[in-house]
Amino acid sequence: SQTIHQWPATLVQPVGSPLSLECTVEGTSNPNLYWYRQAAGRGLQLLFYSVGIGQISSEVPQNLSASRPQDRQFILSSKKLLLSDSGFYLCAWSEILEGYTFGSGTRLTVV
Amino acid sequence: QKEVEQNSGPLSVPEGAIASLNCTYSDRGSQSFFWYRQYSGKSPELIMSIYSNGDKEDGRFTAQLNKASQYVSLLIRDSQPSDSATYLCAVTNTGGFKTIFGAGTRLFVKA
Repeated sequence: SQTIHQWPATLVQPVGSPLSLECTVEGTSNPNLYWYRQAAGRGLQLLFYSVGIGQISSEVPQNLSASRPQDRQFILSSKKLLLSDSGFYLCAWSEILEGYTFGSGTRLTVV
Repeated sequence: QKEVEQNSGPLSVPEGAIASLNCTYSDRGSQSFFWYRQYSGKSPELIMSIYSNGDKEDGRFTAQLNKASQYVSLLIRDSQPSDSATYLCAVTNTGGFKTIFGAGTRLFVKA
């Protein structure tokens, strides 16, 4: 069966510090991978999606970036965090047109 | 106009009643429709998928889709306190790679 791992679970970072969140999927090949952010009390905002190694589509202009160095690995990064980057970050995978399986999420607080 | 709209609630129903959750979407070419349940502080969990007009039943859950009216609904029969959560409506766009989420409806089931 397919599983998705996301870490860390919680993170407190100062403004201006770098960020790296990692997500890995097991039990499937060539999955579609996604990064979403959910601000407190808000809906899910699509940040990036990837349909293959090295293929990244960005949905929202911001100081975040994503990379997919391996088929089942998806990384979200920032060189300098802003206060507005605080939120609940969710990695997800799916087959095309199918529903998502989400990771357990990373709660990021920028102070 | 928001792409996927839901009433934010909260919707409060007594235990054993039917909870009715509604959602409208703007992209007429959308192909896949989903309902997710999200408990406070947790990641969303897929509970229903529907792809064609009509009803789809799974246990106590029934999803209804009307593409002509661009309307999706979720019925929860015999509601239980454990159903208390935020329910997210999600729609996959015409290309099939991106899923847009509504802001969610909070449901409270009173014992």
